[in-house]
Formats: sequence, structure tokens, C-alpha cells
Amino acid sequence: KAGVTQTPRYLIKTRGQQVTLSCSPISGHRSVSWYQQTPGQGLQFLFEYFSETQRNKGNFPGRFSGRQFSNSRSEMNVSTLELGDSALYLCASSLARQELNEKLFFGSGTQLSVL
Amino acid sequence: DAKTTQPTSMDCAEGRAANLPCNHSTISGNEYVYWYRQIHSQGPQYIIHGLKNNETNEMASLIITEDRKSSTLILPHATLRDTAVYYCIVRRHNAGKSTFGDGTTLTVKP
Repeated sequence: KAGVTQTPRYLIKTRGQQVTLSCSPISGHRSVSWYQQTPGQGLQFLFEYFSETQRNKGNFPGRFSGRQFSNSRSEMNVSTLELGDSALYLCASSLARQELNEKLFFGSGTQLSVL
Repeated sequence: DAKTTQPTSMDCAEGRAANLPCNHSTISGNEYVYWYRQIHSQGPQYIIHGLKNNETNEMASLIITEDRKSSTLILPHATLRDTAVYYCIVRRHNAGKSTFGDGTTLTVKP
């Protein structure tokens, strides 16, 4: 079974631009969540999508948004990029079945650098 | 989700058991303990989880105290490839959100 795939692996943008990151979950997984990782703040939860609906949201400004498609693939978008948005963005998928504990399976991440 | 406390760093000799502690004194009855590890520049990898009983799988063992306020992850025979940041988190079933702390940086030395 293929793992969680994130594209692109690396991205360089300039301040003020916007960026879209993509995540393909493991086949059959219905939940996709996004995390931002920086040296100073560690791993921080951005949001989680389940069945095309945002189910949970972290404490990030509205410049950070996401969506999930009917095939469970997800995208996250950051508008008006700031230097502080430079980070490793990680996507995780899980089965999200009612009866089961939820192991998260992470992708390798997208390393975003904002210049 | 309950907060966890872990030592910042630990060393372990190759071939010896690595015992990584985690304190989660405010854990609720419906929260599970999960352990993940992250090797540099990769996404975190699931290791093991448990509710109240001790658990073992091919990677590690998880010992949870009877009052559930702390737990220990045991890597029985640490190798150099086990050098990573280990995260202990607690979360409700179907919570959708996991709160990662700073984790423990485990360095396995030859």
C-alpha cells in the first residue's frame, strides 16, 4: 500500500505570494490533517478534514486554509506569505473509523521557504 | 487533550534497552497514549499506543502506570537507527487533533 504522498517536496516563494500544497492520503483513509513544524514552535496542528468537511481547526490565521476532495485528497493554501511561514508542512492521514483508535500516518512533508 | 511532559534528551548505548518516560498526569479516562518518533527531515512515524494495559509490538513496548498518569516507551535493543525525536501524546478517540509537545531527543551511541 502506498504511503501518504505530499507534493512538492521543496518550495521557495517570496513574501506576499500564495502557495498550494497537496496531500494524497493512504487509500481508504478518510481523515487528513495538516501540521506546521518549525524549530521554534515544534509541531503545530493546522486543521483536519473528514469527508470533505473541516472537522477541527488549530490557532492559525485565516491566511491558512484547506480543502478535501471526494477522493480524500487534500490541499492546503497559504495566502500573502510571510517570512514566518517558512516551515515543514506535514500531512497525516488516518482511517477515522468510529470503533478504531486513530494511528496517524505522516507524509515526508513539504519544506516551504519564504524569502 | 491532556498535556504531556518528557525529558528533553536522553542517551542510550547501542544494543541496550532505551526507556523513555512520559508524564501525563491530567489524562482523562477516554484518552489514549500514543508514541511517535521523527527522524530528521521525515514525517513522524507511529510506534505504539495504549489505553490502560501494557502493549507490545514489533517496534517497542509501552508500559502505562496503573493510575495512567505516566508511561514508558521501551525500545528493547536500541540501534543507531533509533536515534530520533520521540513524541508522547494523549488524545481522545476520534479527536481529529493531536497535540505534540517538544518530545525527547534520543541519541543511540555505539
